[in-house]
Amino acid sequence: NAGVTQTPKFRVLKTGQSMTLLCAQDMNHEYMYWYRQDPGMGLRLIHYSVGEGTTAKGEVPDGYNVSRLKKQNFLLGLESAAPSQTSVYFCASSYLGADTEAFFGQGTRLTVV
Amino acid sequence: AQSVTQLDSQVPVFEEAPVELRCNYSSSVSVYLFWYVQYPNQGLQLLLKYLSGSTLVESINGFEAEFNKSQTSFHLRKPSVHISDTAEYFCAVSVRAGGTSYGKLTFGQGTILTVHP
Repeated sequence: NAGVTQTPKFRVLKTGQSMTLLCAQDMNHEYMYWYRQDPGMGLRLIHYSVGEGTTAKGEVPDGYNVSRLKKQNFLLGLESAAPSQTSVYFCASSYLGADTEAFFGQGTRLTVV
Repeated sequence: AQSVTQLDSQVPVFEEAPVELRCNYSSSVSVYLFWYVQYPNQGLQLLLKYLSGSTLVESINGFEAEFNKSQTSFHLRKPSVHISDTAEYFCAVSVRAGGTSYGKLTFGQGTILTVHP
């Protein structure tokens, strides 16, 4: 049982390049989330999805897009990377409800130069 | 909106000493409370959570946290720490409000616990 898997684990981009981060979960969870982690700021929610075909904005959505075409996958896209998007990105999933545990992937460390 | 404040960014302690990691939150609605732990180069794992009932909750590895509604706090404690407890700890809240909060978490800034031999 793999849980939540993120690819890639590391990436270096040049300013203006685009990329897609992939998140896959095998727990049949309805809810999926993308967070970014920056030193001294904890984790902040970028976008989330409450089911296949749905997406919604979180706290810091600017510069990112997401898609959830299949229930098990949640993609995070950067159309034109900026140095301010240098961060560690975490995907998470949960079954249903605010009282359930969120399961996190191991993170993607992205550097934009 | 909710906010979470972790009062200490770094806490160094010696092995077998007690430790307390402080967490205060602010919310206009009822929330669930969580502590997550992040070991080096890993994702976050749930340590413990408060949903309702007894205000003292415990984890399987000896941590405990107490929900104090009047002080809006959820401090994490352990009476005797081990080297293996070295990690970053995050306090988080999610809104209780029916089915509309969707489990979105608001995190504190994190506290790095370093246990020295």
